[in-house]
Amino acid sequence: DTGVSQNPRHKITKRGQNVTFRCDPISEHNRLYWYRQTLGQGPEFLTYFQNEAQLEKSRLLSDRFSAERPKGSFSTLEIQRTEQGDSAMYLCASSLSQYNEQFFGPGTRLTVL
Amino acid sequence: RKEVEQDPGPFNVPEGATVAFNCTYSNSASQSFFWYRQDCRKEPKLLMSVYSSGNEDGRFTAQLNRASQYISLLIRDSKLSDSATYLCVGPNYGGSQGNLIFGKGTKLSVKP
Repeated sequence: DTGVSQNPRHKITKRGQNVTFRCDPISEHNRLYWYRQTLGQGPEFLTYFQNEAQLEKSRLLSDRFSAERPKGSFSTLEIQRTEQGDSAMYLCASSLSQYNEQFFGPGTRLTVL
Repeated sequence: RKEVEQDPGPFNVPEGATVAFNCTYSNSASQSFFWYRQDCRKEPKLLMSVYSSGNEDGRFTAQLNRASQYISLLIRDSKLSDSATYLCVGPNYGGSQGNLIFGKGTKLSVKP
């Protein structure tokens, strides 16, 4: 399967713990995006990368959130000191460029107890 | 006003019916829109791009009305498998170009 992959698919953690998610985009795609989706809402943009450069971060991305794409391939999203309000589906998407379709991964569902 | 707004539904229609969704947008500079489909607990998948001249793909027709700033999706001869949430999506011109602004989605349920 050469689509976007995300790991883990599910994560349950206790409040205050740190969690890290991984996204592997489609191999030739330069752009990688992170979105967050809660029940009954559409996905909300968090941040995106052009190759290894993080070009934009949403106001939704508090200081507890950090994302990296060190070699311009896979990306990680870390949430420090998780809160119950962080519970959501975290979606990763990739595209060839800003003008091309974004392909989404299956998401990582985070539950903070 | 939110950048992209949709009627959340649900739309409950019988098989074979024609159903239409509208979506309004606030940024008059926006030129590219999309309809994504999302099945329950799955990721969004691109259904159609929306061009100013309209776009048709089989039973699906998408149109953009710039004067009134709305986008429509028409589904003809609806199938049970069309049951899903349909997300209206526009570009974000508030920051760097590239990321998408999603509506909350319109839920469609096609009944036998």
